[in-house]
Amino acid sequence: GAGVSQSPSNKVTEKGKDVELRCDPISGHTALYWYRQSLGQGLEFLIYFQGNSAPDKSGLPSDRFSAERTGGSVSTLTIQRTQQEDSAVYLCASTPSGGPPDTQYFGPGTRLTVL
Amino acid sequence: GESVGLHLPTLSVQEGDNSIINCAYSNSASDYFIWYKQESGKGPQFIIDIRSNMDKRQGQRVTVLLNKTVKHLSLQIAATQPGDSAVYFCAENNAGNMLTFGGGTRLMVKP
Repeated sequence: GAGVSQSPSNKVTEKGKDVELRCDPISGHTALYWYRQSLGQGLEFLIYFQGNSAPDKSGLPSDRFSAERTGGSVSTLTIQRTQQEDSAVYLCASTPSGGPPDTQYFGPGTRLTVL
Repeated sequence: GESVGLHLPTLSVQEGDNSIINCAYSNSASDYFIWYKQESGKGPQFIIDIRSNMDKRQGQRVTVLLNKTVKHLSLQIAATQPGDSAVYFCAENNAGNMLTFGGGTRLMVKP
């Protein structure tokens, strides 16, 4: 079946603009995760959804970052008033149940460049 | 090994040789570990996992070893091929369903 998909694959924006990144998890997966990966670095956890609720938002770096998930499926990560340090690859992953432990399946990522 | 700062440690091997990628994890309570492979421009892909009640698990051409005494995880790739060139991340599960990722190691395979 289809894997995790993300759109857009690349996004170039100007400093101060808002951006929305989209994640379509694997059908039936109840848990969804957002990560950020800066150039040449590991994955930084941002937020986790179980269904439509987000029990763990601890990784969001500032109040400019927010995320929502609707219908237990698609999720959007919104970054307001983007800054140059927001430039990174944003990765989404999903798991069947969210119960520990569970392999996370990743999408291809959205590369965000803030000029 | 683990990366510090902006530069990934790099392992360079000759095609056909075996590769060993190491990872030190942080939490002795971690009960599940995963190795991911990330090729350029792609998201991480699951390679192999191991639970804390095991010390070795084998897949196709890959073996993961877990040493809980020293909190060390390794990934062994047999007969390394050019297609194995990628960045490899270890991840540990230690808090419900959250994974903590290591910094990654870049594997370069020389033909």
